[in-house]
Amino acid sequence: SQKIEQNSEALNIQEGKTATLTCNYTNYSPAYLQWYRQDPGRGPVFLLLIRENEKEKRKERLKVTFDTTLKQSLFHITASQPADSATYLCALRDSGTYKYIFGTGTRLKVLA
Amino acid sequence: DTGVSQDPRHKITKRGQNVTFRCDPISEHNRLYWYRQTLGQGPEFLTYFQNEAQLEKSRLLSDRFSAERPKGSFSTLEIQRTEQGDSAMYLCASRGTSGPYNEQFFGPGTRLTVL
Repeated sequence: SQKIEQNSEALNIQEGKTATLTCNYTNYSPAYLQWYRQDPGRGPVFLLLIRENEKEKRKERLKVTFDTTLKQSLFHITASQPADSATYLCALRDSGTYKYIFGTGTRLKVLA
Repeated sequence: DTGVSQDPRHKITKRGQNVTFRCDPISEHNRLYWYRQTLGQGPEFLTYFQNEAQLEKSRLLSDRFSAERPKGSFSTLEIQRTEQGDSAMYLCASRGTSGPYNEQFFGPGTRLTVL
């Protein structure tokens, strides 16, 4: 069956450390994968997109990798800050459809 | 550009009642999505519009759910004969045709509580 999985357990890290979040998918062949941030009571906000032919993408303190062999994307936040505390969602578009599939999200808490 | 807006932000209704939500996308965006999100889960796709055409609808969506986008601008999502299991956050997102990231811009959501 098709699924997209993120670590459902909350991730607590110390301020200044690097947070690494994982997104694994099964039985999809996405042309790209997206990462969003969601704060409580609000809609998700787009952060980064990485295409299947790209190994790594960076934006300021954010880095995303994409391994189509492992069917996995890793999302890194370097020099994390308490303001980075939020839920992070990965998403892919189901090929041949208009449907976007979101993971369950990983809640990150950065401790001061 | 005022972003995607949704109305109402909160709705409390009794089981069996009908409810309607409205979404106003970013003005130049021709693509519009509806999602449902429950606590601890990611957004779950409900339906997709390109301009006024509804091009895809989730098989999970029962006949009690209907959506429209009559003039290709705002959209409405109606739930008939609400059930307690319909309690969730209903999110609307829009997307334009330009730009490299295919990103969706989400509204703040409508939180539905069915008593």
